[in-house]
Amino acid sequence: DIVMTQSPDSLAVSLGERATINCKSSQSLFYSSNNNNYLAWYQQKPGQPPKLLIYWASTRESGVPDRFSGSGSGTDFTLTISSLQAEDVAVYYCQQYYNSYHTFGQGTKLEIK
Amino acid sequence: QLQLQESGPGLVKASETLSLTCTVSGASMSNRGYYWGWVRQPPGKGLEWIGSISDTGHTYYNPSLKSRVTVSVDTSKKQFSLKLSSVTAADTAVYYCARQEWGSSGPHWFDPWGQGTLVTVSS
Repeated sequence: DIVMTQSPDSLAVSLGERATINCKSSQSLFYSSNNNNYLAWYQQKPGQPPKLLIYWASTRESGVPDRFSGSGSGTDFTLTISSLQAEDVAVYYCQQYYNSYHTFGQGTKLEIK
Repeated sequence: QLQLQESGPGLVKASETLSLTCTVSGASMSNRGYYWGWVRQPPGKGLEWIGSISDTGHTYYNPSLKSRVTVSVDTSKKQFSLKLSSVTAADTAVYYCARQEWGSSGPHWFDPWGQGTLVTVSS
């Protein structure tokens, strides 16, 4: 199994400030044959299903605000919210699809300071 | 617009089999570019992938659940289903169905998701 570890477990950021969530995989998620990192990010608000934000580690899903960005390669990845809005309060998950036995990070809870 | 909806009993007795169905609307399931997956979330906890199936019935299962899981598909009804046998309290969770993009390495990310259905295992 590829183990996904997120940090921190919880995070409090002031409105308008930058929020950074990290995700580390136990093995590389980079495929050299297509130069892609097999990692996605999701946002889950209370009582709702997860929502896809980012795939291929840095490709923003259609309709996702551009304050959300993904970066990283290999085993270390980051989700950044450039200017936190009240509606961004949620739990964020990373997911690897490098192999067909998908695994998720444990989640990072983002709150307003 | 593609939508998915889970359905099935909200209460299952321990040692019995959990059965859920996901109904797809707004698009055909017979598209070789997609897989269809199940993910669960115990109350207050994180996400766990259960299994995925193609429109032709090719499956991938979570190794930790593989001995108890069966995922099947009926594209004519636009449905895919989950069966989890010998359930215990640890299987109490919200169960989500979702579509997955597919590539040469297999299923990829999950999008969109159904609203989820809570299944409680009672003793």
